[in-house]
Amino acid sequence: DQQVKQNSPSLSVQEGRISILNCDYTNSMFDYFLWYKKYPAEGPTFLISISSIKDKNEDGRFTVFLNKSAKHLSLHIVPSQPGDSAVYFCAAAQGGSEKLVFGKGTKLTVNP
Amino acid sequence: NAGVMQNPRHLVRRRGQEARLRCSPMKGHSHVYWYRQLPEEGLKFMVYLQKENIIDESGMPKERFSAEFPKEGPSILRIQQVVRGDSAAYFCASSPLNGRAVNEQFFGPGTRLTVL
Repeated sequence: DQQVKQNSPSLSVQEGRISILNCDYTNSMFDYFLWYKKYPAEGPTFLISISSIKDKNEDGRFTVFLNKSAKHLSLHIVPSQPGDSAVYFCAAAQGGSEKLVFGKGTKLTVNP
Repeated sequence: NAGVMQNPRHLVRRRGQEARLRCSPMKGHSHVYWYRQLPEEGLKFMVYLQKENIIDESGMPKERFSAEFPKEGPSILRIQQVVRGDSAAYFCASSPLNGRAVNEQFFGPGTRLTVL
């Protein structure tokens, strides 16, 4: 049972445009969400997080939006750069648990 | 400040052998987590440890897998009598004890285990 779903395996955008990566979850007990970026042969790198008491969190070019009623979150990258090309994982945690539940990832390609 | 260290980076074992994966957390971090990633899948939680204690092992297979985080030295994930289905990337992460409900986890580069 996939509790965190990233339905788009891949996404391709032009440099300078906006990248929007989506994530859906089924467990209403999740109250903390994180995005990680992963390059080949490396470990995931933390990007940005959001608590369920917020609906938006921004850090430089990265913004995460949370829609609790729809159980949906998205990561916006503006402007997109070729160095952003990587696999992006959405992850969720519940009730103070340290266990992260990951989606399968979306491979982002930013074309120069 | 060095990041999370994992070794070996690549490990090849034959069926029935033992695999030992090591993880040194970031300096000052007292929480260690192990995740497994199968091809084309996301990371799956295995176990969460603090020094000398297993806090949550709900993701660990019931047999052949064990983990420890001793008072001194790295955390060890041990897989006995490996089978082909154990072939995967195993990632270790660490986080600080800072009183937050959930801590960002910092990942190591992973150990890629291949079972022949």
